[in-house]
Amino acid sequence: DAGVTQSPTHLIKTRGQQVTLRCSPKSGHDTVSWYQQALGQGPQFIFQYYEEEERQRGNFPDRFSGHQFPNYSSELNVNALLLGDSALYLCASSKGQRTYEQYFGPGTRLTVT
Amino acid sequence: AQSVSQHNHHVILSEAASLELGCNYSYGGTVNLFWYVQYPGQHLQLLLKYFSGDPLVKGIKGFEAEFIKSKFSFNLRKPSVQWSDTAEYFCAVISSGRSFQKLVFGTGTRLLVSP
Repeated sequence: DAGVTQSPTHLIKTRGQQVTLRCSPKSGHDTVSWYQQALGQGPQFIFQYYEEEERQRGNFPDRFSGHQFPNYSSELNVNALLLGDSALYLCASSKGQRTYEQYFGPGTRLTVT
Repeated sequence: AQSVSQHNHHVILSEAASLELGCNYSYGGTVNLFWYVQYPGQHLQLLLKYFSGDPLVKGIKGFEAEFIKSKFSFNLRKPSVQWSDTAEYFCAVISSGRSFQKLVFGTGTRLLVSP
């Protein structure tokens, strides 16, 4: 039973660039949530996708956008990267609309220089 | 808005010592509560969860937590820690009974267990 997978594992970008992170949910799950974990902090909720629509959004600027595909996988896009976007980006999957039990992937470590 | 407070940012213990990590949350409605652990270089893993029923919940690796509704607390305990428990521990809360809710995490407690 495949768990949540994310790619790439690590990424280094320059300020102003754009980045796309990818996530495949756990088998049987159809809801994907994205979190940002800055160094020394707990994960912060970015947004959540179900049936290819954004259902819930945290306090992140419009530079952060996402997409969910018919196979339930998801992308997180960040435009005009800032140094402060350096963080571990976590994807979590759950089943259906009751998103109580979320399973996390290993994360993508993004470094912005 | 929901919030979670973890009182101890860094804890250092010797093996076999007892552990208690504090967690308080702020939310007016019904919640589900979680403790996650992040071992060095590994991804976030669920230690235990509380949804309803017995407020004393047992998780993996000998961990347990007690939900005290009147104190809005969900403290994590382990009677005797091991070197392998060195990790970062996160308390999290989610509103229950509603669709499309987000996990709200505390800032984490970094535990170092010395052999």
